[in-house]
Amino acid sequence: GAGVSQSPRYKVTKRGQDVALRCDPISGHVSLYWYRQALGQGPEFLTYFNYEAQQDKSGLPNDRFSAERPEGSISTLTIQRTEQRDSAMYRCASGTDTQYFGPGTRLTVL
Amino acid sequence: GDSVTQMEGPVTLSEEAFLTINCTYTATGYPSLFWYVQYPGEGLQLLLKATKADDKGSNKGFEATYRKETTSFHLEKGSVQVSDSAVYFCALMRYGNNRLAFGKGNQVVVIP
Repeated sequence: GAGVSQSPRYKVTKRGQDVALRCDPISGHVSLYWYRQALGQGPEFLTYFNYEAQQDKSGLPNDRFSAERPEGSISTLTIQRTEQRDSAMYRCASGTDTQYFGPGTRLTVL
Repeated sequence: GDSVTQMEGPVTLSEEAFLTINCTYTATGYPSLFWYVQYPGEGLQLLLKATKADDKGSNKGFEATYRKETTSFHLEKGSVQVSDSAVYFCALMRYGNNRLAFGKGNQVVVIP
């Protein structure tokens, strides 16, 4: 079956612009997770949802980052007023006992 | 807090050599342990997992045993192939926590 998909795969933006990253989880998966991965590092947790409810957002670095999952399926991670330090790979996963990852979105802020 | 430590530096070895990548962890309670692999140009894939002490996870010739006494989950493969060249990440998930904590990853390069 279809795995986790993310779009866009690559995003280049200018400092100060807002970006929205999309995640489409595996069908039927209740839990959805967002991670951020800097070059040469492992992924770091940002936030996660069960159905449409955001259960834990303690990993979001500041209030420019937000996420939603309004219908309990597709999720959007939004970064407002992007900064160069936001450049990273953003990864989405779904599943519970085991998390299955999408291909990631490579964000570059110029 | 929960953390995972992987051995420093890339690993370069010849085809058919024995591979070991060390992983140790710090966590409250008894976490589940995972190895994920990232092949060039691809996303993170689950390689294997173990959910309790003394469990052995295995897949594609790779093995790792959950050692509670040494808080370790070392990854091994007896005879590597060029196609095993990838970045390998060790991770843990504490029961009831739902977030994965990853190590920094190890780049493995297998030379023909």
